[in-house]
Amino acid sequence: QLQLQESGPGLVKPSETLSLTCTVSGGSISSSSYYWGWIRQPPGKGLEWIGSIYYSGSTYYNPSLKSRVTISVDTSKNQFSLKLSSVTAADTAVYYCARTMIVVIAVDYWGQGTLVTVSS
Amino acid sequence: QSALTQPASVSGSPGQSITISCTGTSSDVGSYNLVSWYQQHPGKAPKLMIYEGSKRPSGVSNRFSGSKSGNTASLTISGLQAEDEADYYCCSYAGSSTVFGGGTKLTVL
Repeated sequence: QLQLQESGPGLVKPSETLSLTCTVSGGSISSSSYYWGWIRQPPGKGLEWIGSIYYSGSTYYNPSLKSRVTISVDTSKNQFSLKLSSVTAADTAVYYCARTMIVVIAVDYWGQGTLVTVSS
Repeated sequence: QSALTQPASVSGSPGQSITISCTGTSSDVGSYNLVSWYQQHPGKAPKLMIYEGSKRPSGVSNRFSGSKSGNTASLTISGLQAEDEADYYCCSYAGSSTVFGGGTKLTVL
């Protein structure tokens, strides 16, 4: 059974960089059938797609976050990562890592989510 | 890109049917048959209920169905059950990006 697990600091200071890693187990991140990505959800609000990466390193970002987002992949560790720079309180959210089926662009596996709070 | 438009809330009694709409534009919902729907219970990760507009993943009840007309996609839940009470989100491919709806809270009366 595929599992995705987010890890990283739960508290980040304003203007700093948020960094999270997603570890994939029970399957290979190098599959040609999937994108791997990040989705966030501010407390009490809706879902927002942040971006996705293919195992080859090709990336796709939300245009509204593109200038601050970097998603990378480490196939040797079966992990992918998110960096979001210059964070503000508006970036406080539960961050989910997720697997997207390429052909139908639908997320079939989600991590449990990790709350990241931006505060001094 | 702007979020897809969903009603903030819908409600229905057990056994009834409800429909949640999801309105986008010709750049997303209207251009691609790649709308998915997710169910989210409080404190849990979302769960895929519908993909490609109308297809159900294995294990999802056939009480859930999806459709699309023009720039609007719809999720219908028939034979409402108490466990269907949750938040529902639509999502569409938008050409090298993906956009979610604002979410709809379903209350089972």
